[in-house]
Amino acid sequence: EAGVAQSPRYKIIEKRQSVAFWCNPISGHATLYWYQQILGQGPKLLIQFQNNGVVDDSQLPKDRFSAERLKGVDSTLKIQPAKLEDSAVYLCASSPDPGTGNGYTFGSGTRLTVV
Amino acid sequence: SQQGEEDPQALSIQEGENATMNCSYKTSINNLQWYRQNSGRGLVHLILIRSNEREKHSGRLRVTLDTSKKSSSLLITASRAADTASYFCATTELGTALIFGKGTTLSVSS
Repeated sequence: EAGVAQSPRYKIIEKRQSVAFWCNPISGHATLYWYQQILGQGPKLLIQFQNNGVVDDSQLPKDRFSAERLKGVDSTLKIQPAKLEDSAVYLCASSPDPGTGNGYTFGSGTRLTVV
Repeated sequence: SQQGEEDPQALSIQEGENATMNCSYKTSINNLQWYRQNSGRGLVHLILIRSNEREKHSGRLRVTLDTSKKSSSLLITASRAADTASYFCATTELGTALIFGKGTTLSVSS
């Protein structure tokens, strides 16, 4: 079974620029998550999708972050404009069953550096 | 927001020794999970314990859960250099996403 694919692996941008990350979940997984992990901290949930609908985006800074999951498969997370404090690893995960919390699979993440 | 608090923040041991990490959480849970993260890599699921379970084993891993104290512990027996990584506990309530703690960094020297 193929894992969760994320691209790019690394990205360096200047503050106030925009950036986009892509995630392809495991085939058949209805639920997709984006997490932000700042160095030295645990991952923090940004947004949870169920198919192509948003379940929880309460911690997404909506003035600069946006995410979409077209057709309930791939997802894109965008930051515009980026700030220095957005430097982090952005992890995508998918699971087949949001109800039980089982079966999460994480991608390798995109490491973003904002200079 | 972060649900769990791992203790200690960092742990250094010798190969062959046991490593114990603790996790405390704040709200009621459906299950608690432990993940490992090697430097610069993604998260790997280690073990899941349900709220009605008290102890679970998987290979060299032993997890306990005390819902009355809202705490869990992860024991890694006979540690190896390859166990060097960060370990996170994560909790979930029914229908909600995993919420992670801040992690314990384990260093195993040979």
